[in-house]
Amino acid sequence: GAVVSQHPSWVICKSGTSVKIECRSLDFQATTMFWYRQFPKQSLMLMATSNEGSKATYEQGVEKDKFLINHASLTLSTLTVTSAHPEDSSFYICGEGTGNTIYFGEGSWLTVV
Amino acid sequence: KQEVTQIPAALSVPEGENLVLNCSFTDSAIYNLQWFRQDPGKGLTSLLLIQSSQREQTSGRLNASLDKSSGRSTLYIAASQPGDSATYLCAVTGGSNYKLTFGKGTLLTVNP
Repeated sequence: GAVVSQHPSWVICKSGTSVKIECRSLDFQATTMFWYRQFPKQSLMLMATSNEGSKATYEQGVEKDKFLINHASLTLSTLTVTSAHPEDSSFYICGEGTGNTIYFGEGSWLTVV
Repeated sequence: KQEVTQIPAALSVPEGENLVLNCSFTDSAIYNLQWFRQDPGKGLTSLLLIQSSQREQTSGRLNASLDKSSGRSTLYIAASQPGDSATYLCAVTGGSNYKLTFGKGTLLTVNP
């Protein structure tokens, strides 16, 4: 399957700061990128969908000004959590769509203290 | 709104046992269904993908079935091994926009 590199794997930041998570497609060009969030013992929830060169489409309840998504190229998408708060602590994972399946990155654990 | 439910939430079995994980979904108009494996602190690994027109898929010791009309899927693991210990997630895709709706997963522990 395709290889998706996501980093950082783990990040701890202070409340009020911003954190950027990168997702790179290493061996294919992904038109569509998905960002998911997973709280402990909960389902993975879709946050937003982005297509290269266009603005992301956010799911209901997800603040677009807080979770900035940039999909500047077919191989790179970033999620920036701005003014992070402890309640943003979660597992964030990207998925790149190609054909009829999605290839996921390794995920990023964010802890806001 | 699609909802995906996985039963049981956790399962502990001795090594060598065959086991079944269950997944149900509320909207039968799906594009496909996937089973993923998630290891602690890791990302998702796709195990099996079943298209809406298919009834089952097999890969090694894994067999997944799909009954779209009843909104159910099962993942059968034969001769379980300790290395199979992980969380297994079921996800369905609605339409053609690749949006997946996940269940909460089943935490499987295979004891040596």
